[in-house]
Amino acid sequence: AQSVSQHNHHVILSEAASLELGCNYSYGGTVNLFWYVQYPGQHLQLLLKYFSGDPLVKGIKGFEAEFIKSKFSFNLRKPSVQWSDTAEYFCAVSPTGGYQKVTFGTGTKLQVIP
Amino acid sequence: DAGVTQSPTHLIKTRGQQVTLRCSPKSGHDTVSWYQQALGQGPQFIFQYYEEEERQRGNFPDRFSGHQFPNYSSELNVNALLLGDSALYLCASSLASGQPQHFGDGTRLSIL
Repeated sequence: AQSVSQHNHHVILSEAASLELGCNYSYGGTVNLFWYVQYPGQHLQLLLKYFSGDPLVKGIKGFEAEFIKSKFSFNLRKPSVQWSDTAEYFCAVSPTGGYQKVTFGTGTKLQVIP
Repeated sequence: DAGVTQSPTHLIKTRGQQVTLRCSPKSGHDTVSWYQQALGQGPQFIFQYYEEEERQRGNFPDRFSGHQFPNYSSELNVNALLLGDSALYLCASSLASGQPQHFGDGTRLSIL
């Protein structure tokens, strides 16, 4: 069975600071990888995804993530955060092929200070 | 274009009771997954339905059961409620398993 680790539980940044949120997964086969975001008072929504191909994927609102297969990592980055990025971020993994369940990490709460 | 809708938004039950939560998937989606999200945790996969059958199941007891209807909507049933079942229950839909999911706002279930 797969598992996901998000090591940063709570991150506080000032506006314009750079962001990197760590995500590591454990699974022996090929995977699909996702980052979801939950803004205050809103439902979970997809930020970006990796299925195959270029390991550097770009998502909405200037976010990007890099899949490093050798490190089983899929870290989320943004060069310059804004106050509106304050949210909870979840990394998720799903094995490829067939009917597969999605496993979520415990989430990282990001607080951006104006 | 309607997103995923869940009902009710909030429910209070007592131990031992049974509850049914409902979900309508995003238009065009045929796969529905249910998650339990406890406070401070990420969503935990309960099960996934496609073509009215349970296709995948997480580590949840048989007290948790579900159903998918021909119009792709779904229900989550929980029997013999325990205090530990208090959580936010999320429904997510997708176009096929493994594809990006669209989430509803969830049903907050409180067990007294």
